[in-house]
Amino acid sequence: GAGVSQSPSNKVTEKGKDVELRCDPISGHTALYWYRQRLGQGLEFLIYFQGNSAPDKSGLPSDRFSAERTGESVSTLTIQRTQQEDSAVYLCASSLDGWKTEAFFGQGTRLTVV
Amino acid sequence: EDQVTQSPEALRLQEGESSSLNCSYTVSGLRGLFWYRQDPGKGPEFLFTLYSAGEEKEKERLKATLTKKESFLHITAPKPEDSATYLCAVQARGDTGTASKLTFGTGTRLQVTL
Repeated sequence: GAGVSQSPSNKVTEKGKDVELRCDPISGHTALYWYRQRLGQGLEFLIYFQGNSAPDKSGLPSDRFSAERTGESVSTLTIQRTQQEDSAVYLCASSLDGWKTEAFFGQGTRLTVV
Repeated sequence: EDQVTQSPEALRLQEGESSSLNCSYTVSGLRGLFWYRQDPGKGPEFLFTLYSAGEEKEKERLKATLTKKESFLHITAPKPEDSATYLCAVQARGDTGTASKLTFGTGTRLQVTL
């Protein structure tokens, strides 16, 4: 597609439920990033993919968070047993190769845990 | 640990009143410094990449400059449509797997009034 696409755009879930967030990167981009942005705060790095592997998972806040990427394309971020502090906008970005090339962001998924 | 500090947190300008936003950074070795614009409810939009001290990039009313310790985003004769949050991010040198993430500052919220 022309840009990075994320779905759903909004998600409301009950505390304790699992959620899956999807990211479709720009075609041909091998690098993919997930970030979290809490209300009024900066972007917090979660995980980086190069192809289908994740050489940097250092930002995942707990083992409730996991992500995968398949076919060097779509990525899914899964949050298990959601908690209220997980409420945030989850942003996905892709770049051509992750090496000195700009990253392009999607519109984000706004997750609200009630 | 890489750190990015942006100032001021918020800036209110009148249309036509030029100013500068600051991004100070600490990184083990700079691979690239990125400027983004973020409108409310949207993902960050890429503006510039700077790679080495002394480099400058321009786009319409915006000009970004880079030194060894900081970057400036100069806004000349701003218009109300320039109102947004401006984000700065750094990418460090190192292994392409672990050093490819972008570390963001918390942004400068710019409001331009008539």
